[in-house]
Amino acid sequence: AQTVTQSQPEMSVQEAETVTLSCTYDTSESDYYLFWYKQPPSRQMILVIRQEAYKQQNATENRFSVNFQKAAKSFSLKISDSQLGDAAMYFCACSNQAGTALIFGKGTTLSVSS
Amino acid sequence: NAGVTQTPKFQVLKTGQSMTLQCAQDMNHNSMYWYRQDPGMGLRLIYYSASEGTTDKGEVPNGYNVSRLNKREFSLRLESAAPSQTSVYFCASSELVFEAFFGQGTRLTVV
Repeated sequence: AQTVTQSQPEMSVQEAETVTLSCTYDTSESDYYLFWYKQPPSRQMILVIRQEAYKQQNATENRFSVNFQKAAKSFSLKISDSQLGDAAMYFCACSNQAGTALIFGKGTTLSVSS
Repeated sequence: NAGVTQTPKFQVLKTGQSMTLQCAQDMNHNSMYWYRQDPGMGLRLIYYSASEGTTDKGEVPNGYNVSRLNKREFSLRLESAAPSQTSVYFCASSELVFEAFFGQGTRLTVV
């Protein structure tokens, strides 16, 4: 079965610092999509960043960037200049082998201190 | 622009009761999904619908049924609720898997 693994249940960072959240996945597909979603206490799921596997260039969105290592099946999220509003649960997700749904990891809870 | 709307937001059921969670999207997406979120388990796919008129099982379909009523609406039914179905349920929609848009979630407690 396809799996997405987030090995860090909890992470912490200080304001203005940089933090990296890890994610590995398992797929036999050559073309797929990878995502990071943020879930603040409001419970709303918010897309942070998306990466197409066929693109070698790492995706970036303002303070958020990814390190996509296709051969290693690794997809980490780097948050620069961390802010208090970044505190949330972060989920890594990968499109499934049929390309019809997203498979999620178990999440990483990020806390940000001032 | 409402996006994905789920109802209700909260519900308490007694064991054995039935209920239907409603979901509607206004983005003209073909694909719709139901996930459940449990502590330490992430989001697990219950059912999905790749297009109007089709539905398929996900990772955890037992105890649930779905209906893709039309392109906008995708409902999830619990025929006989069990305490193990206590969870937060999310509906989502997307155009293929380019980006999934989520509803606000339904917190369901089965006592």
